[in-house]
Amino acid sequence: GQQVMQIPQYQHVQEGEDFTTYCNSSTTLSNIQWYKQRPGGHPVFLIQLVKSGEVKKQKRLTFQFGEAKKNSSLHITATQTTDVGTYFCAGHGGSQGNLIFGKGTKLSVKP
Amino acid sequence: DSGVTQTPKHLITATGQRVTLRCSPRSGDLSVYWYQQSLDQGLQFLIQYYNGEERAKGNILERFSAQQFPDLHSELNLSSLELGDSALYFCASSVQGADGGSPLHFGNGTRLTVT
Repeated sequence: GQQVMQIPQYQHVQEGEDFTTYCNSSTTLSNIQWYKQRPGGHPVFLIQLVKSGEVKKQKRLTFQFGEAKKNSSLHITATQTTDVGTYFCAGHGGSQGNLIFGKGTKLSVKP
Repeated sequence: DSGVTQTPKHLITATGQRVTLRCSPRSGDLSVYWYQQSLDQGLQFLIQYYNGEERAKGNILERFSAQQFPDLHSELNLSSLELGDSALYFCASSVQGADGGSPLHFGNGTRLTVT
């Protein structure tokens, strides 16, 4: 079945450093979504990418969808302590496909 | 506030017991999803309902069952509970079914502890 792998599992950075998490699917995706879960909270939708090669930005966050629509990345520039949390990608396989979540990357930021 | 309401927030029960988790989706959302999140684990998809009908099943145990009622709220029933069932159970809702690709809106979750 469809699998979505996400790396790294954990990332510890100094405040101000950049951070990137990568997501890879075993199958071609119709779209990919990114969520953030703060400690003790619930996942919150960040963004959805649909087109091959699409790049979207939200302030310091840059999201990319690969040309083959099988991989994606989230890059945070100059991390802040408010960026702490677990970032999940979720791949959608298209018709009748379900949203499959990666295991997430847990980001900690040292002030 | 996501608009998705889950009750109860916490549940402590003994092995072998049965519990019911409840979820009210956002107003206007037709799909309800249930996910299980164990400590430091990802989100394991359990089951999805769309407008009252089961749409998709994930890694849901036979001891677990769910339903979506005409008013679109959903219940997840967990029976013959085992220690390993201790986890955070999230409900999420979306406007469309999973094939529509619409974002999921998660509730605050129900933390189940089986002793």
